[in-house]
Amino acid sequence: SQTIHQWPATLVQPVGSPLSLECTVEGTSNPNLYWYRQAAGRGLQLLFYSVGIGQISSEVPQNLSASRPQDRQFILSSKKLLLSDSGFYLCAWSDLGDRASTFGSGTRLTVV
Amino acid sequence: KQEVTQIPAALSVPEGENLVLNCSFTDSAIYNLQWFRQDPGKGLTSLLLIQSSQREQTSGRLNASLDKSSGRSTLYIAASQPGDSATYLCAGGAIKAAGNKLTFGGGTRVLVKP
Repeated sequence: SQTIHQWPATLVQPVGSPLSLECTVEGTSNPNLYWYRQAAGRGLQLLFYSVGIGQISSEVPQNLSASRPQDRQFILSSKKLLLSDSGFYLCAWSDLGDRASTFGSGTRLTVV
Repeated sequence: KQEVTQIPAALSVPEGENLVLNCSFTDSAIYNLQWFRQDPGKGLTSLLLIQSSQREQTSGRLNASLDKSSGRSTLYIAASQPGDSATYLCAGGAIKAAGNKLTFGGGTRVLVKP
């Protein structure tokens, strides 16, 4: 069966520090991968998606970037965090079959 | 641009009552619609996925319907239990470049009182 792993679960970082969140999927190949953010008082918003290694599409202008160095690995990064980057970050995957999206357990990021 | 709305934002019912959660979307060219459950501080658990060619899906006490022409989906939860307390999110899927991009509603926070 397929599983999705996200880490860390919680993170407190100072303004201006770098960020790296990692997501990996097991039990499938060539998944579509997604990063979503859930900010306080706002709904879930798609940040990035990837349909293959090295292929990244950005949905909204922002201070973050994403990379996909391996087929089942998706990384969310920032060189310098802003207070507005605080939120709950969720990684998800879907295949080309039934297109259902499966989410990871999330990372709660607090920028102080 | 797809917009998804969920009303009400919060709902409180006594145990045993049936729950009806509403979701509306603006773009009828929806590829699929997915319902999720989110417990406080947790990730999303997929409940039901309805493809655009389908009108409903059922799983146990859960039934979801989809009416593309009116831009509505409804999630029914029969005989609610305190364990059903959570936030329920609906999301419309759009296929672009082979990616299933989801647009989420704001969610309905449900409290089932024993």
